[in-house]
Amino acid sequence: ELKVEQNPLFLSMQEGKNYTIYCNYSTTSDRLYWYRQDPGKSLESLFVLLSNGAVKQEGRLMASLDTKARLSTLHITAAVHDLSATYFCAVPSNSGYALNFGKGTSLLVTP
Amino acid sequence: GAVVSQHPSWVICKSGTSVKIECRSLDFQATTMFWYRQFPKQSLMLMATSNEGSKATYEQGVEKDKFLINHASLTLSTLTVTSAHPEDSSFYICSATRATAYEQYFGPGTRLTVT
Repeated sequence: ELKVEQNPLFLSMQEGKNYTIYCNYSTTSDRLYWYRQDPGKSLESLFVLLSNGAVKQEGRLMASLDTKARLSTLHITAAVHDLSATYFCAVPSNSGYALNFGKGTSLLVTP
Repeated sequence: GAVVSQHPSWVICKSGTSVKIECRSLDFQATTMFWYRQFPKQSLMLMATSNEGSKATYEQGVEKDKFLINHASLTLSTLTVTSAHPEDSSFYICSATRATAYEQYFGPGTRLTVT
């Protein structure tokens, strides 16, 4: 059974600080997805990582994938309040299509 | 491009009644659609995978007779919650994929409240 573990599950950080969210998964996969969810809303796609060593950046967020370590990171640089949300990583199931989600990291950025 | 819509966005129904939720891919043909359920403060859990013209594949623990899925065309999948109970109250989110793309496109979700 594929397991996807995120940590931390809760993160309160000050504006301007940096932090990293980790996503570990239990079986081989060459793809990993990061999503953002605001309260009461659906998922917003942040990054699709398609190969080992993939690194993508968008604004203050940067995601990377190490398929050998089965680890992805989402790095936050100089956090701002607008980044407050829940962040999910997801890995395709063995069928290759459906996604298995981590439990999510609830991020709160405070002044 | 790649927009997925859901209807309704929220619905309140009485216990014992049935509710139908529609998921449409607006500007592409979706070979596969997925239905997820999300309880408050929890992650998304896959309920079923739906391919056009064939029976849905349900995840373990999901009652296929209670959650009826129909994927009649390449742009429409429906989820019917039959004989709804308060414990079925949840946020239901669909997603769709294209045949040649890795991306999954998520709908805006439907919030179901059963009273």
